[in-house]
Amino acid sequence: ETGVTQSPTHLIKTRGQQVTLRCSSQSGHNTVSWYQQALGQGPQFIFQYYREEENGRGNFPPRFSGLQFPNYSSELNVNALELDDSALYLCASSLGTGLTDTQYFGPGTRLTVL
Amino acid sequence: AQKITQTQPGMFVQEKEAVTLDCTYDTSDQSYGLFWYKQPSSGEMIFLIYQGSYDEQNATEGRYSLNFQKARKSANLVISASQLGDSAMYFCAMRELTNAGGTSYGKLTFGQGTILTVHP
Repeated sequence: ETGVTQSPTHLIKTRGQQVTLRCSSQSGHNTVSWYQQALGQGPQFIFQYYREEENGRGNFPPRFSGLQFPNYSSELNVNALELDDSALYLCASSLGTGLTDTQYFGPGTRLTVL
Repeated sequence: AQKITQTQPGMFVQEKEAVTLDCTYDTSDQSYGLFWYKQPSSGEMIFLIYQGSYDEQNATEGRYSLNFQKARKSANLVISASQLGDSAMYFCAMRELTNAGGTSYGKLTFGQGTILTVHP
């Protein structure tokens, strides 16, 4: 158990809808990263939040947005859902943004877009 | 070019035997970190082991060890005394620091993974 939790576990949406995924960090961790994992692929970095600010972003369009709260929990919002957004969404928390700061992952939210 | 390459889509091993999962990486940075994660069918990504680019000793964590060959840019995972519960997908990942707008962040770049099956 990493202490990182995510909700919901599964979600089914239709094209064009909006979705919010939630992540609760491990105690003491101030950094949260979000990843998208399509079936049969490795996770792809979406963005990272450090002390409530987005401090890094991967190759994802602006309809992927996020928030980090004062307690360091985080949300991932996806607008105008597309079929290709169907994936496992993983959040990971870490003590910081440094090279040696191991990212500990939650169980993921499996999103299906119909 | 792929930053992380895992050339073995699937591997099979007999219970109690050792197995090596291959990983090669590509970076021009001097400072980077290498990680291995295990992903069972449940989906959760479980951290196994870390190796820093300046670490001279190979990392070990229980039955897991990392065979780090810096000149070859390889970071192979060795699992000794395989157990049935080791059957899972294994990912190699690299962390480099990226500077953006005056701050730095360390995203993980993952390989495609290797499915390990342990036979009784």
